[in-house]
Amino acid sequence: GAVVSQHPSWVICKSGTSVKIECRSLDFQATTMFWYRQFPKQSLMLMATSNEGSKATYEQGVEKDKFLINHASLTLSTLTVTSAHPEDSSFYICSARVSVNTEAFFGQGTRLTVV
Amino acid sequence: AQSVTQLDSHVSVSEGTPVLLRCNYSSSYSPSLFWYVQHPNKGLQLLLKYTSAATLVKGINGFEAEFKKSETSFHLTKPSAHMSDAAEYFCVVSEVPGGYNKLIFGAGTRLAVHP
Repeated sequence: GAVVSQHPSWVICKSGTSVKIECRSLDFQATTMFWYRQFPKQSLMLMATSNEGSKATYEQGVEKDKFLINHASLTLSTLTVTSAHPEDSSFYICSARVSVNTEAFFGQGTRLTVV
Repeated sequence: AQSVTQLDSHVSVSEGTPVLLRCNYSSSYSPSLFWYVQHPNKGLQLLLKYTSAATLVKGINGFEAEFKKSETSFHLTKPSAHMSDAAEYFCVVSEVPGGYNKLIFGAGTRLAVHP
Protein backbone atom coordinates (compact mmCIF):
# COMPACT_ATOMS: atom_id res chain seq x y z
CA GLY A 1 0.00 0.00 0.00
CA ALA A 2 0.86 3.65 -0.23
CA VAL A 3 3.12 5.13 2.41
CA VAL A 4 2.77 8.42 4.19
CA SER A 5 5.63 9.50 6.39
CA GLN A 6 5.59 12.14 9.10
CA HIS A 7 8.62 13.78 10.58
CA PRO A 8 9.45 14.09 13.36
CA SER A 9 7.75 11.27 15.24
CA TRP A 10 7.98 13.23 18.43
CA VAL A 11 9.19 16.67 19.40
CA ILE A 12 9.57 18.65 22.61
CA CYS A 13 9.72 22.42 22.41
CA LYS A 14 9.65 25.39 24.71
CA SER A 15 6.65 27.67 25.04
CA GLY A 16 6.73 30.49 22.55
CA THR A 17 8.73 28.69 19.90
CA SER A 18 7.46 27.35 16.59
CA VAL A 19 7.50 23.76 15.45
CA LYS A 20 7.23 22.40 11.91
CA ILE A 21 5.84 18.96 11.16
CA GLU A 22 6.30 17.40 7.73
CA CYS A 23 3.98 15.00 5.97
CA ARG A 24 5.28 13.24 2.87
CA SER A 25 3.63 10.83 0.48
CA LEU A 26 6.52 8.54 -0.44
CA ASP A 27 5.22 6.63 -3.41
CA PHE A 28 2.30 8.60 -4.77
CA GLN A 29 1.31 12.15 -5.56
CA ALA A 30 -1.16 13.56 -3.11
CA THR A 31 -3.45 16.27 -4.40
CA THR A 32 -5.02 16.59 -0.98
CA MET A 33 -3.63 16.22 2.51
CA PHE A 34 -5.52 16.36 5.78
CA TRP A 35 -4.25 17.35 9.21
CA TYR A 36 -5.82 15.90 12.35
CA ARG A 37 -5.29 16.45 16.04
CA GLN A 38 -5.81 13.77 18.64
CA PHE A 39 -5.96 14.43 22.36
CA PRO A 40 -5.11 11.60 24.77
CA LYS A 41 -7.70 8.86 24.71
CA GLN A 42 -9.87 10.82 22.31
CA SER A 43 -10.77 10.63 18.68
CA LEU A 44 -9.23 12.42 15.73
CA MET A 45 -10.44 15.90 14.98
CA LEU A 46 -9.93 17.29 11.50
CA MET A 47 -8.02 20.56 11.65
CA ALA A 48 -7.67 21.46 8.00
CA THR A 49 -7.68 20.22 4.44
CA SER A 50 -4.94 21.32 2.09
CA ASN A 51 -4.87 21.01 -1.68
CA GLU A 52 -1.59 21.30 -3.53
CA GLY A 53 -0.91 24.82 -4.65
CA SER A 54 -3.81 26.46 -2.83
CA LYS A 55 -4.63 27.75 0.62
CA ALA A 56 -5.74 25.29 3.26
CA THR A 57 -9.34 25.09 4.37
CA TYR A 58 -9.56 25.19 8.15
CA GLU A 59 -12.28 23.65 10.27
CA GLN A 60 -14.33 25.85 12.53
CA GLY A 61 -12.46 26.78 15.67
CA VAL A 62 -8.99 26.12 14.30
CA GLU A 63 -6.79 29.22 14.25
CA LYS A 64 -5.21 29.48 10.83
CA ASP A 65 -2.57 31.94 12.03
CA LYS A 66 -1.48 29.56 14.74
CA PHE A 67 -1.51 26.39 12.67
CA LEU A 68 0.13 27.29 9.38
CA ILE A 69 -0.29 24.74 6.64
CA ASN A 70 1.69 24.70 3.43
CA HIS A 71 1.17 22.21 0.61
CA ALA A 72 3.79 23.34 -1.84
CA SER A 73 4.22 20.11 -3.76
CA LEU A 74 2.31 16.92 -4.54
CA THR A 75 4.37 14.98 -2.04
CA LEU A 76 4.84 17.36 0.87
CA SER A 77 2.64 19.26 3.27
CA THR A 78 3.85 20.99 6.41
CA LEU A 79 2.09 22.04 9.58
CA THR A 80 3.76 24.75 11.61
CA VAL A 81 2.56 25.35 15.15
CA THR A 82 3.49 28.96 15.84
CA SER A 83 4.18 30.36 19.29
CA ALA A 84 3.42 27.00 20.83
CA HIS A 85 1.86 26.76 24.28
CA PRO A 86 1.43 23.74 26.55
CA GLU A 87 -2.21 23.40 25.48
CA ASP A 88 -0.97 22.73 21.95
CA SER A 89 0.59 19.51 23.18
CA SER A 90 -1.10 16.74 21.27
CA PHE A 91 -0.74 13.98 18.71
CA TYR A 92 -0.88 15.36 15.17
CA ILE A 93 -1.66 13.03 12.29
CA CYS A 94 -1.72 13.70 8.58
CA SER A 95 -3.33 11.78 5.78
CA ALA A 96 -2.92 12.03 2.04
CA ARG A 97 -4.89 10.91 -1.00
CA VAL A 98 -4.49 10.98 -4.74
CA SER A 99 -7.99 12.17 -5.57
CA VAL A 100 -11.45 12.56 -4.06
CA ASN A 101 -12.53 8.98 -4.69
CA THR A 102 -9.38 7.25 -3.52
CA GLU A 103 -8.38 6.05 -0.10
CA ALA A 104 -6.62 8.44 2.23
CA PHE A 105 -3.48 6.98 3.81
CA PHE A 106 -2.36 8.05 7.26
CA GLY A 107 1.04 8.96 8.58
CA GLN A 108 2.33 7.51 11.85
CA GLY A 109 1.70 10.73 13.72
CA THR A 110 3.80 13.29 15.56
CA ARG A 111 3.62 13.71 19.30
CA LEU A 112 4.20 17.32 20.25
CA THR A 113 4.99 18.26 23.84
CA VAL A 114 5.30 21.94 24.71
CA VAL A 115 7.03 22.67 28.00
CA ALA B 1 -24.74 16.28 8.97
CA GLN B 2 -23.19 12.87 9.25
CA SER B 3 -21.98 11.31 12.48
CA VAL B 4 -20.99 8.00 13.99
CA THR B 5 -21.52 6.68 17.49
CA GLN B 6 -19.37 3.93 18.87
CA LEU B 7 -21.43 2.36 21.58
CA ASP B 8 -18.59 1.03 23.73
CA SER B 9 -15.52 2.96 24.79
CA HIS B 10 -13.83 -0.23 26.06
CA VAL B 11 -14.25 -3.87 25.10
CA SER B 12 -12.37 -6.69 26.77
CA VAL B 13 -12.26 -10.22 25.41
CA SER B 14 -10.26 -13.38 25.96
CA GLU B 15 -7.91 -14.61 23.29
CA GLY B 16 -9.72 -16.96 20.92
CA THR B 17 -13.20 -15.57 21.63
CA PRO B 18 -15.29 -13.47 19.22
CA VAL B 19 -14.95 -9.71 18.96
CA LEU B 20 -17.86 -7.32 18.46
CA LEU B 21 -17.30 -3.58 18.23
CA ARG B 22 -20.50 -1.63 17.72
CA CYS B 23 -21.05 1.42 15.55
CA ASN B 24 -24.17 3.33 14.59
CA TYR B 25 -24.20 6.04 11.99
CA SER B 26 -26.34 8.99 11.03
CA SER B 27 -26.43 10.16 7.44
CA SER B 28 -28.69 12.10 5.16
CA TYR B 29 -27.79 9.88 2.22
CA SER B 30 -26.00 6.63 1.49
CA PRO B 31 -22.82 6.82 3.51
CA SER B 32 -19.34 5.51 2.96
CA LEU B 33 -18.26 3.80 6.16
CA PHE B 34 -14.87 2.65 7.35
CA TRP B 35 -13.16 0.96 10.26
CA TYR B 36 -9.62 2.00 11.14
CA VAL B 37 -7.28 0.54 13.74
CA GLN B 38 -4.66 2.48 15.67
CA HIS B 39 -1.93 0.82 17.67
CA PRO B 40 -0.28 2.88 20.45
CA ASN B 41 1.54 5.94 19.15
CA LYS B 42 1.01 4.82 15.60
CA GLY B 43 -0.91 6.10 12.62
CA LEU B 44 -4.15 4.60 11.42
CA GLN B 45 -4.57 1.54 9.28
CA LEU B 46 -7.67 0.90 7.21
CA LEU B 47 -9.33 -2.39 8.19
CA LEU B 48 -12.23 -2.30 5.75
CA LYS B 49 -14.61 0.00 3.93
CA TYR B 50 -18.22 0.02 2.74
CA THR B 51 -19.09 2.08 -0.31
CA SER B 52 -22.56 0.83 -1.34
CA ALA B 53 -21.47 -2.50 -2.78
CA ALA B 54 -21.91 -5.74 -0.81
CA THR B 55 -23.35 -5.15 2.65
CA LEU B 56 -20.99 -7.69 4.25
CA VAL B 57 -17.50 -6.33 3.96
CA LYS B 58 -14.42 -8.39 4.62
CA GLY B 59 -11.27 -6.67 5.72
CA ILE B 60 -7.76 -7.47 6.77
CA ASN B 61 -6.68 -9.66 9.68
CA GLY B 62 -9.95 -11.60 9.70
CA PHE B 63 -12.19 -8.65 10.48
CA GLU B 64 -15.51 -8.05 8.78
CA ALA B 65 -18.41 -5.67 9.13
CA GLU B 66 -22.02 -5.69 8.01
CA PHE B 67 -23.85 -2.62 6.80
CA LYS B 68 -27.46 -2.68 8.03
CA LYS B 69 -29.41 0.25 6.70
CA SER B 70 -32.56 -0.58 8.69
CA GLU B 71 -30.57 -0.44 11.92
CA THR B 72 -28.14 2.28 10.77
CA SER B 73 -25.35 0.08 12.04
CA PHE B 74 -21.91 -1.00 10.85
CA HIS B 75 -20.61 -3.31 13.57
CA LEU B 76 -17.11 -4.79 13.35
CA THR B 77 -16.62 -8.47 14.13
CA LYS B 78 -13.92 -11.09 14.23
CA PRO B 79 -14.53 -14.77 15.03
CA SER B 80 -11.42 -15.26 17.17
CA ALA B 81 -9.39 -12.55 18.87
CA HIS B 82 -5.61 -12.52 18.87
CA MET B 83 -3.40 -10.73 21.35
CA SER B 84 -2.16 -8.54 18.50
CA ASP B 85 -5.69 -7.22 17.97
CA ALA B 86 -5.42 -5.12 21.13
CA ALA B 87 -5.66 -1.53 19.88
CA GLU B 88 -7.98 1.42 19.40
CA TYR B 89 -10.64 1.04 16.73
CA PHE B 90 -12.41 3.89 15.00
CA CYS B 91 -15.64 3.79 13.04
CA VAL B 92 -15.59 6.50 10.39
CA VAL B 93 -18.13 7.99 7.97
CA SER B 94 -17.28 9.99 4.90
CA GLU B 95 -19.09 13.26 4.45
CA VAL B 96 -19.10 12.90 0.69
CA PRO B 97 -20.91 9.76 -0.47
CA GLY B 98 -18.65 7.40 -2.37
CA GLY B 99 -15.60 9.43 -1.58
CA TYR B 100 -12.99 9.95 1.06
CA ASN B 101 -13.51 13.63 1.66
CA LYS B 102 -13.70 14.86 5.24
CA LEU B 103 -13.74 11.70 7.32
CA ILE B 104 -15.83 11.96 10.49
CA PHE B 105 -14.40 9.81 13.27
CA GLY B 106 -16.24 8.11 16.09
CA ALA B 107 -14.92 8.41 19.63
CA GLY B 108 -13.10 5.10 19.38
CA THR B 109 -13.29 1.73 21.13
CA ARG B 110 -10.31 0.37 22.98
CA LEU B 111 -10.07 -3.37 22.59
CA ALA B 112 -8.21 -5.34 25.23
CA VAL B 113 -7.40 -9.00 24.64
CA HIS B 114 -6.57 -11.19 27.62
CA PRO B 115 -4.67 -14.49 27.53
